[in-house]
Amino acid sequence: AQSVTQLDSHVSVSEGTPVLLRCNYSSSYSPSLFWYVQHPNKGLQLLLKYTSAATLVKGINGFEAEFKKSETSFHLTKPSAHMSDAAEYFCVVTPYSSASKIIFGSGTRLSIRP
Amino acid sequence: EAGVAQSPRYKIIEKRQSVAFWCNPISGHATLYWYQQILGQGPKLLIQFQNNGVVDDSQLPKDRFSAERLKGVDSTLKIQPAKLEDSAVYLCASSLGHTGGITEAFFGQGTRLTVV
Repeated sequence: AQSVTQLDSHVSVSEGTPVLLRCNYSSSYSPSLFWYVQHPNKGLQLLLKYTSAATLVKGINGFEAEFKKSETSFHLTKPSAHMSDAAEYFCVVTPYSSASKIIFGSGTRLSIRP
Repeated sequence: EAGVAQSPRYKIIEKRQSVAFWCNPISGHATLYWYQQILGQGPKLLIQFQNNGVVDDSQLPKDRFSAERLKGVDSTLKIQPAKLEDSAVYLCASSLGHTGGITEAFFGQGTRLTVV
């Protein structure tokens, strides 16, 4: 069975410091992986996606993620946090065996301290 | 391109009443999803359509929830009768849905339902 685990329910960092949001997946085949962001009272917006091309994926707003098959991880990082990054972040997996099935992690709430 | 449209944005109803949500996906998107997102949790898939056929409705409470996708385009989700625990944001999403070709899903703004 395919699943995705976000290891931290809440992460708090100071503005200007690095951000790391952790995600591990379980999939029988090579999956596609996504990170979505949800700001308060807003819809879900795609940050970046991995679809078996380059393992280091760059997204919007300075975020990037690295696919590590040996660790079954797809952690999201940003070198320097900004106040506007405060939001809920979801790691999502789409198993190769079912191209349209979308499986969400439980989410990580990112808080930014001034 | 226009995004996924949902209406209404907000709805407050009393328990045991009925309610309907509407979704217009991105033009040409074959796959349509309805998710329920309870405060503080990740979205939970309620139902997935491929064109106008149901692909997955295993987590849809069928005694009170129903959904349809007319002509493979617009979709409505209905709750009848509503319970207090149905209070949540209902998200609609669509994707191209090509088998073997992974495409991301695009989400609407959601409908926030409050049952009192």
